[in-house]
Amino acid sequence: GQNIDQPTEMTATEGAIVQINCTYQTSGFNGLFWYQQHAGEAPTFLSYNVLDGLEEKGRFSSFLSRSKGYSYLLLKELQMKDSASYLCAVLPSGGYNKLIFGAGTRLAVHP
Amino acid sequence: EAGVTQFPSHSVIEKGQTVTLRCDPISGHDNLYWYRRVMGKEIKFLLHFVKESKQDESGMPNNRFLAERTGGTYSTLKVQPAELEDSGVYFCASSQTQGHEQYFGPGTRLTVT
Repeated sequence: GQNIDQPTEMTATEGAIVQINCTYQTSGFNGLFWYQQHAGEAPTFLSYNVLDGLEEKGRFSSFLSRSKGYSYLLLKELQMKDSASYLCAVLPSGGYNKLIFGAGTRLAVHP
Repeated sequence: EAGVTQFPSHSVIEKGQTVTLRCDPISGHDNLYWYRRVMGKEIKFLLHFVKESKQDESGMPNNRFLAERTGGTYSTLKVQPAELEDSGVYFCASSQTQGHEQYFGPGTRLTVT
C-alpha cells in the first residue's frame, strides 16, 4: 500500500530553525514534493527532490534519502508568516502522475 | 501569469442535489488533476487529464462523479446525486509536463447537508 507519515503539529519560535520529517512507503518513487498551505488557500510548491541529498532554496531546504524512505523540510530564520500546514507528497512510479499526500504538518510559529 | 482558478469557492447543497465544479488551469498546461480533501484526512487524487483525455481516473470514488475537459482547456467535475460523504475541499491542479510540480488552485469547499 501507499503510506506517508508526518507529524500532525509542531510549534517553534520566531527566528529559530524547525525540521519537519516525512517518511514514505510507496509503490515506486519518482520524486518527493513539499508544499506549503495557508488556511483556505491553495497549496504552493516549495521543493522537489528526486535524488538523495540536500536541496537549498533560501530559508527553506529539503533533504531526501531514498534508501530510508525519508525526507525532511528545514525552515530557517522562522517568521510568523511561516505558520501554515506543510504537505509532503510522493510521485510514485508506474507511469502515473498522481501525487500521494501525507496528512500535513501544522506549524505554529510564535513570538 | 494567472494561476489555477476554481469556481465556486464554496457550495452548500442538499443530499440528492447536483453540483458542478469548474477548474481553469494555467494557460498552456496540458495536464490537469482533480484532488479531494475530506475533513481530517489527507489530500487524495481523483483523476488526471492530458489535454482532453483521461489519463488516470483510478481515484474517482464511484459513478456519481463525472469529470470532463472538452477542448482540453477548463475542466468540470459533476457530482450527481450528492451524498453527505462527498463533503470536502476539491482541489484542481495543473502542470506543464508530467513529473514536474503541480500548481494548485484554492479549492472549492463543498458541503452536503
